[in-house]
Amino acid sequence: AQKITQTQPGMFVQEKEAVTLDCTYDTSDPSYGLFWYKQPSSGEMIFLIYQGSYDQQNATEGRYSLNFQKARKSANLVISASQLGDSAMYFCAMREVSYSGGYNKLIFGAGTRLAVHP
Amino acid sequence: EAGVTQFPSHSVIEKGQTVTLRCDPISGHDNLYWYRRVMGKEIKFLLHFVKESKQDESGMPNNRFLAERTGGTYSTLKVQPAELEDSGVYFCASSQAAGGRSEQFFGPGTRLTVL
Repeated sequence: AQKITQTQPGMFVQEKEAVTLDCTYDTSDPSYGLFWYKQPSSGEMIFLIYQGSYDQQNATEGRYSLNFQKARKSANLVISASQLGDSAMYFCAMREVSYSGGYNKLIFGAGTRLAVHP
Repeated sequence: EAGVTQFPSHSVIEKGQTVTLRCDPISGHDNLYWYRRVMGKEIKFLLHFVKESKQDESGMPNNRFLAERTGGTYSTLKVQPAELEDSGVYFCASSQAAGGRSEQFFGPGTRLTVL
């Protein structure tokens, strides 16, 4: 069965430092996608970054980068130069892709709550 | 461009009552998804519409839950009768395409409390 594991219920980091949020996944499908979402206290889910299973390079989006280690089945999120506004819940998610294109649900991890301290 | 909207933002009902949640996807998005997060657990998939058709409803917990998307626009999720374990946050998401890199845009969620 497909599964996403986030082992860090909470993390804290000093402002301007980098932080890594862990995510491991389990799937038997060779084709899949990995997502990270941010959920601030206001509740909305904000898409951060995407990594496809066949992507050769690690994904980057501004201060966000994804450390994708396929053999280890890990997709850790790295936030560089943390800001106070980065304090939020962070969810790792996986989507399995069916060749018919009809299987698109996201499977989420339990989330990691990040606190950025000044 | 307006994002995914959900109504109401909060709902408090008593066990046995009926509640209907509404989701308005981003205009032009054929794909609409419902998820929920119960009791601080993982966010779980409920179902996926493509236009007005249910593409995947494998996550619907039981027959007390009924989702509709008439006309392929907005969607409703009805819980009848509500039970205590239905309390949680119900998220709706939409996407233009399905699969691959297509991003699912989430709404702010509806927080449901069943007393």
